[in-house]
Amino acid sequence: EDQVTQSPEALRLQEGESSSLNCSYTVSGLRGLFWYRQDPGKGPEFLFTLYSAGEEKEKERLKATLTKKESFLHITAPKPEDSATYLCAVQAGDSGYSTLTFGKGTMLLVSP
Amino acid sequence: KAGVTQTPRYLIKTRGQQVTLSCSPISGHRSVSWYQQTPGQGLQFLFEYFSETQRNKGNFPGRFSGRQFSNSRSEMNVSTLELGDSALYLCASSLRQTYGYTFGSGTRLTVV
Repeated sequence: EDQVTQSPEALRLQEGESSSLNCSYTVSGLRGLFWYRQDPGKGPEFLFTLYSAGEEKEKERLKATLTKKESFLHITAPKPEDSATYLCAVQAGDSGYSTLTFGKGTMLLVSP
Repeated sequence: KAGVTQTPRYLIKTRGQQVTLSCSPISGHRSVSWYQQTPGQGLQFLFEYFSETQRNKGNFPGRFSGRQFSNSRSEMNVSTLELGDSALYLCASSLRQTYGYTFGSGTRLTVV
């Protein structure tokens, strides 16, 4: 059974204080690892897809990296508007159709 | 372009009733997935449709069902509602499974 564990559950940062969120996974045949951002009362917003170990992607203050067992979402010099829940999900399996298995998320609060 | 549209946004139902939720995917997206999100369990996969065929089903009781129409719009139905069905129901569409999934804003269902 595919498993995704995110840590920490919650993280409080001061504006400008860089940090990393962790997503560790156990899957059979990773096809893709996804990062989403979710604001209260809204659906998840797609951030990145990573397909293979060693891959990195960046968007503004966010950088996602992938190894064979985990992914990191690095947040550089965060701003209060980066406050949200960050979700990690994996898509795995050898069949032509597979679903996303989500972690429970990291709730990030950035204080001014 | 228009995103994923879910209706209604909010719904209050009584135990024992049934409910139908609607999802219109992004134009051209043929894959539609449904997820249930609760504070305790996070996002859990319900089912996925592709070209009107159910491709995958999550571990939910038979009270949860869905369908997809020829225009890719999808509906999910929950019969004999229970208090534990209170959740945010999210729909996501994708052009292809290994691309990013785009989520709608969800339908907040409250069962009283």
